[in-house]
Amino acid sequence: GQSLEQPSEVTAVEGAIVQINCTYQTSGFYGLSWYQQHDGGAPTFLSYNALDGLEETGRFSSFLSRSDSYGYLLLQELQMKDSASYFCAVGAMDSWGKLQFGAGTQVVVTP
Amino acid sequence: DTAVSQTPKYLVTQMGNDKSIKCEQNLGHDTMYWYKQDSKKFLKIMFSYNNKELIINETVPNRFSPKSPDKAHLNLHINSLELGDSAVYFCASSLSSGNFYEQYFGPGTRLTVT
Repeated sequence: GQSLEQPSEVTAVEGAIVQINCTYQTSGFYGLSWYQQHDGGAPTFLSYNALDGLEETGRFSSFLSRSDSYGYLLLQELQMKDSASYFCAVGAMDSWGKLQFGAGTQVVVTP
Repeated sequence: DTAVSQTPKYLVTQMGNDKSIKCEQNLGHDTMYWYKQDSKKFLKIMFSYNNKELIINETVPNRFSPKSPDKAHLNLHINSLELGDSAVYFCASSLSSGNFYEQYFGPGTRLTVT
């Protein structure tokens, strides 16, 4: 079976740094993806980690530790437009081709 | 230059009706997906097609029937609609089934069953 845990909501001010953690229990873990979804919008792919370490894409970075079954998404220099839901999603060898999404973290950026 | 498009964007219908949602992608991807997102924003895969062949078929009522006439199109037909079918349905695509971790989503179809 698979399970994913991420916080339901995080609030931060503009310019701050936010870390969204994602822990997983996944048989045959393959990799961890992150998606952003604004209210009323579609999920948008942000990043993917299959190996341990940090992947940086502009203001956003994603980290994976396979030994700890843990990853995080780091949002730096927060902007108002970063207010959205962020989903971690796992892929597994046991269920090839299928992403299982977490429940999402609502990030609220305040002025 | 829309990548993944869906029609209609909104669908309001009564219980018992049959409706279809259409999806098209112009990314040249081989794999397409249907997802259901409920009111709590939980996103769950329903089906996946790779080059017109069904490769993922989750535990979904058989009132839902996908069809892929070619690899750029994936449609979803729903029979005998029920109140619990109200949700946002997203189509998505990926370069191949092996690139399933990076998916491109359509704008969604908000289905309301009354």
